[in-house]
Amino acid sequence: AQTVTQSQPEMSVQEAETVTLSCTYDTSESDYYLFWYKQPPSRQMILVIRQEAYKQQNATENRFSVNFQKAAKSFSLKISDSQLGDAAMYFCGRGSTLGRLYFGRGTQLTVWP
Amino acid sequence: DVKVTQSSRYLVKRTGEKVFLECVQDMDHENMFWYRQDPGLGLRLIYFSYDVKMKEKGDIPEGYSVSREKKERFSLILESASTNQTSMYLCASSQGTSGRDEQFFGPGTRLTVL
Repeated sequence: AQTVTQSQPEMSVQEAETVTLSCTYDTSESDYYLFWYKQPPSRQMILVIRQEAYKQQNATENRFSVNFQKAAKSFSLKISDSQLGDAAMYFCGRGSTLGRLYFGRGTQLTVWP
Repeated sequence: DVKVTQSSRYLVKRTGEKVFLECVQDMDHENMFWYRQDPGLGLRLIYFSYDVKMKEKGDIPEGYSVSREKKERFSLILESASTNQTSMYLCASSQGTSGRDEQFFGPGTRLTVL
């Protein structure tokens, strides 16, 4: 099955704190790409971070980093020093053939001041 | 910057009407995608196209068709709209077919079928 699972429909975090969003996936491929996308309220979905499964090193983009556990097929997103602008729906995705992405159902992140 | 544009932000149609949703990208991308987004269900792929005149069914193609006559334009067609097709529709495009490329999304069309 080509599934991506986000087990947390909703999460919340205090401003300046750290939060981790979970994602697990299914695949029989040995090399693939994983993605986290952010969809702010009433705004376009944008890429947050991308990880190639072949690479051992976890990807980092400023305050956003991933914890990639290939054997466990786990790909969590850590947001450090959370800001009000991080409030959004976050989608985890896995790349596949013909360029399609399989997405999870999303995690709604609320950031409290 | 890549731009993906969708013809309407909001659309209201009647049951049984034929509905066209248009998507245009300006970066010469090979791939284009149509998703629908519903609360609690995330993004579900309806159809995608990896080349002009080529199309592939996604996970929920029933009740929809697509057209890609030109590389930059990908249309989603609801042949006879029904109330259960009320949803947010997102278009996306990406460069290649390897599964490594970022998808760029349009702003979405919120369709209401009465």
